[in-house]
Amino acid sequence: AQTVTQSQPEMSVQEAETVTLSCTYDTSESDYYLFWYKQPPSRQMILVIRQEAYKQQNATENRFSVNFQKAAKSFSLKISDSQLGDAAMYFCAYRSETSGNTPLVFGKGTRLSVIA
Amino acid sequence: DTGVSQDPRHKITKRGQNVTFRCDPISEHNRLYWYRQTLGQGPEFLTYFQNEAQLEKSRLLSDRFSAERPKGSFSTLEIQRTEQGDSAMYLCASSFMAGNFHEQYFGPGTRLTVT
Repeated sequence: AQTVTQSQPEMSVQEAETVTLSCTYDTSESDYYLFWYKQPPSRQMILVIRQEAYKQQNATENRFSVNFQKAAKSFSLKISDSQLGDAAMYFCAYRSETSGNTPLVFGKGTRLSVIA
Repeated sequence: DTGVSQDPRHKITKRGQNVTFRCDPISEHNRLYWYRQTLGQGPEFLTYFQNEAQLEKSRLLSDRFSAERPKGSFSTLEIQRTEQGDSAMYLCASSFMAGNFHEQYFGPGTRLTVT
């Protein structure tokens, strides 16, 4: 079974600074997707960024980028120019494409605080 | 498009009572998922549907849990004889299966408290 580990329960960053959230995963499959989801307080979860395992190029979405190291099974999220609205729980998630199993496997999350 | 909606947003019940939650997916989305999120944890998969067919159930889904998606539209999740361990946020997500990628859009969740 696939597992996702987020080793940082809490992180904080100064406004306008850069922060990196860590995620590692365990799988024997070669075909999968990785995601970072953001869950603001009392609000619904939204997709921040995704990475296809077959792509070597790291995904980027505006201020959000990932460092995908397939051999190391590492998938970190970098948030540049942090804003107060970035404060939230961030979840790393995995989805297999090999077996057609589409449910997401989530890590325990990292709570990000942004300091003004 | 109004997004995924869930009802109720909060539910407080006494141990042993039955509860039912509803999820309305984004229209035209053919896949619907249920997840459970307890305090300090990430969401855990419970079950999912493609149209009206329930394709997979997690071992977390005990016999007290049942989910339906009649006519492939909204879905209900029922918990019978609730236990305090059932207290959690129940999240619904939907997606449209097309090609290799289908993003899951999440609802706001139903927070269940069993007293």
